Amino acid sequence: EVQLVESGGGLVQPGGSLRLSCAASGFTFSSYEMNWVRQAPGKGLEWVSYISSRGTTIYYADSVKGRFTISRDNAKNSLYLQMNSLRAEDTAVYYCVRDAAYALGSYFPFEYWGQGTLVTVSS
Amino acid sequence: DIQMTQSPSSLSASVGDRVTITCRASQGISNYLAWYQQKPGKVPKLLIYAASTLQSGVPSRFSGSGSGTDFTLTISSLQPEDVATYYCQKYNSGPRTFGQGTKVEIK
Repeated sequence: EVQLVESGGGLVQPGGSLRLSCAASGFTFSSYEMNWVRQAPGKGLEWVSYISSRGTTIYYADSVKGRFTISRDNAKNSLYLQMNSLRAEDTAVYYCVRDAAYALGSYFPFEYWGQGTLVTVSS
Repeated sequence: DIQMTQSPSSLSASVGDRVTITCRASQGISNYLAWYQQKPGKVPKLLIYAASTLQSGVPSRFSGSGSGTDFTLTISSLQPEDVATYYCQKYNSGPRTFGQGTKVEIK
């Protein structure tokens, strides 16, 4: 069974930092591309960042570019999101998300989601 | 970056009605378009991928169409359990942008 378990959320002051983690199990983590998606309270889904299976290709949403860093440790089956210079508008539930499948040169939608971790940026 | 625009932002329809949601990409994305359903308090669920392929287990009253820049999600006969917010998403190379969502309610 695929499991994605996020941790590291909490309350942080504006300008502060947090590091989110996602522990993956039930599949060969090193084969899959991974993403972070967030959802502010009462708002829609916002894709945040993507990392390829080997970590060689990375994308960010414009809203977090230069402040957030995605990374992964395939030996530890873990995905990370380092968040710096946090703003009130970064307040959201952050989800770790896996593609539906993998195949070199192909693209797949999101199929597996963690339960999310809440990040609150407030003084 | 490619932007995804959904319409309407919300709708209210009667049980049994046919419901249509549209999604437009600012540039062509071939058929790399997915639809997700999110019920209150739940994580999103994949409904349709490749613009028109139904995910396993999804009721056949859901269907998708389109290619390039214009896409449609149709619920042929709205059921009470379909109350949710629906999102489109492009998933080809680059940012995996979502539409802003369409909230579907029962009249």
